[in-house]
Amino acid sequence: QITLKESGPTVVKPAQTLTLTCSLSGFSLSTGVAVGWIRQSPRQAPEWLALTFWDDEIRYKASLAARLTITKDTSRDWVVLTMTNMNPADTGTYYCARRFRYSTGMYFFDYWGQGMQVTVSS
Amino acid sequence: DIQLTQSPSFLSASVGGRITITCRATQGIDSALGWYQQVPGKAPKLLIFLASTLRSGVPSRFSASGSGTLFTLTISNLQPEDSATYYCHQVSSYPLTFGGGTKVEIK
Repeated sequence: QITLKESGPTVVKPAQTLTLTCSLSGFSLSTGVAVGWIRQSPRQAPEWLALTFWDDEIRYKASLAARLTITKDTSRDWVVLTMTNMNPADTGTYYCARRFRYSTGMYFFDYWGQGMQVTVSS
Repeated sequence: DIQLTQSPSFLSASVGGRITITCRATQGIDSALGWYQQVPGKAPKLLIFLASTLRSGVPSRFSASGSGTLFTLTISNLQPEDSATYYCHQVSSYPLTFGGGTKVEIK
């Protein structure tokens, strides 16, 4: 059974760094697999943030790239996202999700974690 | 960036009915599109990938079509559990983007 689970702080103060961990179960970051982070503000569409692939390729949303770092630990089946300089606009639910290659060059997020509510407030 | 515009933003339909949601991309994306269903408090769930391929386990009353810049998701024989928000999602180029969502209410 494939599952992902996010963990980390539920509240961070403005200007602090957020560190979220995604624990993977039932699959590994092998060929054709990536893990990404997506966030969603209340009543808004999901917003993709970052991706790490099995082959060490990494992608970031360009407008947030300066604040984001995604790393993977394949021995522990973890994927970690850090986001610096948090501000109230970053409040929302943060999801990690598995991205699977369904066709040449086409990956889709097919399994998602339950999501983690993060509030930025002093 | 590729923008995805969904219409309508809200739909109300009866049990047993049929609805169609449209997603338009600002540039051609071939079949690099997925559809997701999200119920409140839950993560999005993948229904359709490669524009028209039904994911295993998803009821056959869901169908989708399209290529290039225009895509549609159709739900036939609507059931109460279909009440949710539906998002299209393009995987053609970075940044990956989602449509604004269509909230579906089942009367």
